[in-house]
Amino acid sequence: DVKVTQSSRYLVKRTGEKVFLECVQDMDHENMFWYRQDPGLGLRLIYFSYDVKMKEKGDIPEGYSVSREKKERFSLILESASTNQTSMYLCASSFLRTSFTKNIQYFGAGTRLSVL
Amino acid sequence: DQQVKQNSPSLSVQEGRISILNCDYTNSMFDYFLWYKKYPAEGPTFLISISSIKDKNEDGRFTVFLNKSAKHLSLHIVPSQPGDSAVYFCAARNTGTASKLTFGTGTRLQVTL
Repeated sequence: DVKVTQSSRYLVKRTGEKVFLECVQDMDHENMFWYRQDPGLGLRLIYFSYDVKMKEKGDIPEGYSVSREKKERFSLILESASTNQTSMYLCASSFLRTSFTKNIQYFGAGTRLSVL
Repeated sequence: DQQVKQNSPSLSVQEGRISILNCDYTNSMFDYFLWYKKYPAEGPTFLISISSIKDKNEDGRFTVFLNKSAKHLSLHIVPSQPGDSAVYFCAARNTGTASKLTFGTGTRLQVTL
């Protein structure tokens, strides 16, 4: 069974704090992703990584950065948290796209972040 | 620019009846489509997918239909069960990009007794 584990289910932070969200997967997946989910907006991609130390911006990267030092771990960093970053954050992982894989992304349970 | 749209935010269906969830897309480069189900306080889980070379894929009670000319796909659940109550997201893969998926905004399905 694929397991994607997010370090926290709930977090409460203050405006201006630096926030780290951690994600670990145990399937040796090459790709890892960070999304945020907001009502009426669906899942929006923040950043993704297709290899260690490699990253690409998603649709809404502003205010975020990421780190991937090991294949199994992908961190999302809010450099200076703001109230508009209050959201549900979801991490996912998948195999690298080939003609033989379905590119199914497997998700963690999510971290609900509140920035006060 | 919402490339994948789910125009119905919610849907209520009686147990045993058919649930039909719809999804429209605008990008002709999408070549693979997926449906995910999400329960509250859990991450989305993969449900069923379809390649753009097919027009139908079936897995038990779940069937996905793809109409490429209309850029429309739908998920049919027959018969609907109370445990199907969840938010359903459709997602699409662009043939020109690596492994990214573009998700719709979701439809909340409630199956009533």
